[in-house]
Amino acid sequence: QKEVEQDPGPLSVPEGAIVSLNCTYSNSAFQYFMWYRQYSRKGPELLMYTYSSGNKEDGRFTAQVDKSSKYISLFIRDSQPSDSATYLCAINAGGTSYGKLTFGQGTILTVHP
Amino acid sequence: AAGVIQSPRHLIKEKRETATLKCYPIPRHDTVYWYQQGPGQDPQFLISFYEKMQSDKGSIPDRFSAQQFSDYHSELNMSSLELGDSALYFCASSRSGTGSEQYFGPGTRLTVT
Repeated sequence: QKEVEQDPGPLSVPEGAIVSLNCTYSNSAFQYFMWYRQYSRKGPELLMYTYSSGNKEDGRFTAQVDKSSKYISLFIRDSQPSDSATYLCAINAGGTSYGKLTFGQGTILTVHP
Repeated sequence: AAGVIQSPRHLIKEKRETATLKCYPIPRHDTVYWYQQGPGQDPQFLISFYEKMQSDKGSIPDRFSAQQFSDYHSELNMSSLELGDSALYFCASSRSGTGSEQYFGPGTRLTVT
């Protein structure tokens, strides 16, 4: 079993829809949680970063962390065709593994006009 | 804003040849990470350096080595290349103490024939 499991999708939604992307993790030592967006053949782009349970909002994006359930989510409001990409959750254990990111499998999102 | 620079962007090598990938971190970033991403897969951590010292090691083959130089740029050296080494190789950088906020470069696409 992978340390980080991500709903693989793919997801196809109409423009303007609310998108929910989810990951679960198994190691309670994980402390830092990130979401990356990756366009085809490009490097992952850091979207959101958080280290505590709760919600963090940035424009149309909201990251949610529930450490008790080991569950993280990314919500995209008013989705746009330009949001079409692969979304990767990434988790960092901190401590001796500080810096090493473990990624989910990625969810391919398509937003159609 | 300045981003992570990787060179070359594309590289074609034959089996058993060697390859050298270069990474130039964002200015004032002192930590560099290398990841390998196979087709349709999530990025896998290879190795990281902080202040020119190896800070963490992942699933990096013994045929691969890396180092970080005094100007913080890093090089990944790959020898005895195999067909299975064909992948996207990403470099990411961060400031010390902010290892979770890793910013990725555009990647080097290595094709081994």
